[in-house]
Amino acid sequence: GDSVTQMEGPVTLSEEAFLTINCTYTATGYPSLFWYVQYPGEGLQLLLKATKADDKGSNKGFEATYRKETTSFHLEKGSVQVSDSAVYFCALSDWGNTGGFKTIFGAGTRLFVKA
Amino acid sequence: DGGITQSPKYLFRKEGQNVTLSCEQNLNHDAMYWYRQDPGQGLRLIYYSQIVNDFQKGDIAEGYSVSREKKESFPLTVTSAQKNPTAFYLCASSDRDGTYEQYFGPGTRLTVT
Repeated sequence: GDSVTQMEGPVTLSEEAFLTINCTYTATGYPSLFWYVQYPGEGLQLLLKATKADDKGSNKGFEATYRKETTSFHLEKGSVQVSDSAVYFCALSDWGNTGGFKTIFGAGTRLFVKA
Repeated sequence: DGGITQSPKYLFRKEGQNVTLSCEQNLNHDAMYWYRQDPGQGLRLIYYSQIVNDFQKGDIAEGYSVSREKKESFPLTVTSAQKNPTAFYLCASSDRDGTYEQYFGPGTRLTVT
């Protein structure tokens, strides 16, 4: 079945450091890929998305490129800020075995950014 | 403003009592979902509904029940049969637009003692 694997956290960086959070997926079809962010005590918010191969999603300085050949959707940011401290979830949406759409979330990666 | 509301933000109950968590959306979305999140953990799907008057079990449905009588509303009942009900509960909705991007509510933190 479909699955999403993302790097374990926590990831601790200093302010202005470069961020990469790895995400790989397995899917039988042609999924859409997402990164969601969760700040403490809140629900998830969509950060960016890509719907087909080679698409690049970007938002608030974060970027991720849909790489079909490596089945990856790594999240990157050139210079992190303390306010980026949160949990980041990689996810895919695809047709499930029962004929309906299904969304699969990764386990989440916690990011701490130090001033 | 369109969005999803969950109430209350914090809920406390005694063991053995059923409790119902509210979820309302005004995004005109067909699909709605309930997830459970334990501390430091990812999301686990409890129930989902793709259309009014229809819903399916997710990965951890035991001890929970739902209804979908209106498009805007998808309440979740945590029954006394749920062995470890203390958790953070998230409701979400999505449009059937091909990508199924999900919009989340702010969550309800349920504590059962």
